[in-house]
Amino acid sequence: GAVVSQHPSRVICKSGTSVKIECRSLDFQATTMFWYRQFPKQSLMLMATSNEGSKATYEQGVEKDKFLINHASLTLSTLTVTSAHPEDSSFYICSASYAPYGTYSNQPQHFGDGTRLSIL
Amino acid sequence: KNQVEQSPQSLIILEGKNCTLQCNYTVSPFSNLRWYKQDTGRGPVSLTIMTFSENTKSNGRYTATLDADTKQSSLHITASQLSDSASYICVVRGGGTASKLTFGTGTRLQVTL
Repeated sequence: GAVVSQHPSRVICKSGTSVKIECRSLDFQATTMFWYRQFPKQSLMLMATSNEGSKATYEQGVEKDKFLINHASLTLSTLTVTSAHPEDSSFYICSASYAPYGTYSNQPQHFGDGTRLSIL
Repeated sequence: KNQVEQSPQSLIILEGKNCTLQCNYTVSPFSNLRWYKQDTGRGPVSLTIMTFSENTKSNGRYTATLDADTKQSSLHITASQLSDSASYICVVRGGGTASKLTFGTGTRLQVTL
């Protein structure tokens, strides 16, 4: 159980293109979804947290207008990288958690398999 | 500042051998600690999760320990297999209203013949 599907797994596109990444929880309702960015040989860096039906909370230094997050349902969140540039190339990973009572939760985050984004 | 430090950064062992990975953290207040396995190009997969009151938790050949007093955790892998080659990430959740996760930089384990 607790499967999170992330799509696409790899994207290669030209500079200036906007790219949408989908994150779906397949067998549970994800009250909270998280978006991470990971550079080679580094650990995950949280970009933003999204709760279903609410605006995402972005971490310091992450541009809201650059990385648009939508969490319209309990099973789907999307990350759109707008006007992507080569420096946006990275491995983007989403995770989902069922935490109906807020942040006091020992429920694990279930991760997708990531999206490798390459901007030429 | 909340930090999670892991050692060693990388490790190479022969198939069938045991190994222990270390995790030290400064996250306070503390809620729980998780160990994840991340294969190259894949998302992390949870191995164990431990709260303050738990000292040891096993998941097959993986055994995690937690000493909340010294803020240290370890992940012991028994009878390693080639498929154990991956990065192992220690993640600590803080307590309180801003209970974010703090990620370690991971230990890259390579199991060879």
